[in-house]
Amino acid sequence: NAGVMQNPRHLVRRRGQEARLRCSPMKGHSHVYWYRQLPEEGLKFMVYLQKENIIDESGMPKERFSAEFPKEGPSILRIQQVVRGDSAAYFCASSPVPGDIGELFFGEGSRLTVL
Amino acid sequence: QQPVQSPQAVILREGEDAVINCSSSKALYSVHWYRQKHGEAPVFLMILLKGGEQKGHEKISASFNEKKQQSSLYLTASQLSYSGTYFCGTDMYSGGGADGLTFGKGTHLIIQP
Repeated sequence: NAGVMQNPRHLVRRRGQEARLRCSPMKGHSHVYWYRQLPEEGLKFMVYLQKENIIDESGMPKERFSAEFPKEGPSILRIQQVVRGDSAAYFCASSPVPGDIGELFFGEGSRLTVL
Repeated sequence: QQPVQSPQAVILREGEDAVINCSSSKALYSVHWYRQKHGEAPVFLMILLKGGEQKGHEKISASFNEKKQQSSLYLTASQLSYSGTYFCGTDMYSGGGADGLTFGKGTHLIIQP
């Protein structure tokens, strides 16, 4: 059973471009979480999705950021018109049950650098 | 509300013990512990649910005092492989997954031979 797969692992964008980060959860996992991590900071919750539904997006900036988890295919975190402050590692985690009562399985992360 | 972890960093010699603390200003339903090595994904250690339980995992154990809204992670007879950053994640809701975990800033643990 493959782990949580994230791609790309590294992404470089210029200011104003779009970044798309993909996450394929583990087989059988319908709960997906996105976290952002800055150096020397903890993992900051962004959004929680179940298949085709956004359950909680309270941690996601209202503008430029969006997330989806379609019926088929990976979950995608999309950042439009990136700015330097978006540079961070973005981690996706999945679980077969809600993450507050079960283990979260994290991917290796996608490291976004905005020039 | 982000939980507060202490200490921020600790350096130990192999075989020594360490305690990492995690405290919250709000009532908690559960506390989760993860370890992350540099450049890698966080890895789950354990969950403690409301009820003041204590859990063990090899030489790593943890306690959860819900009245004090605190949890502590105990590492005994530390091994080189224990090096990494330890995060506590807290949740205030009683199941239902209506909220993602809120993680602390982490505690860096360095084990020296």
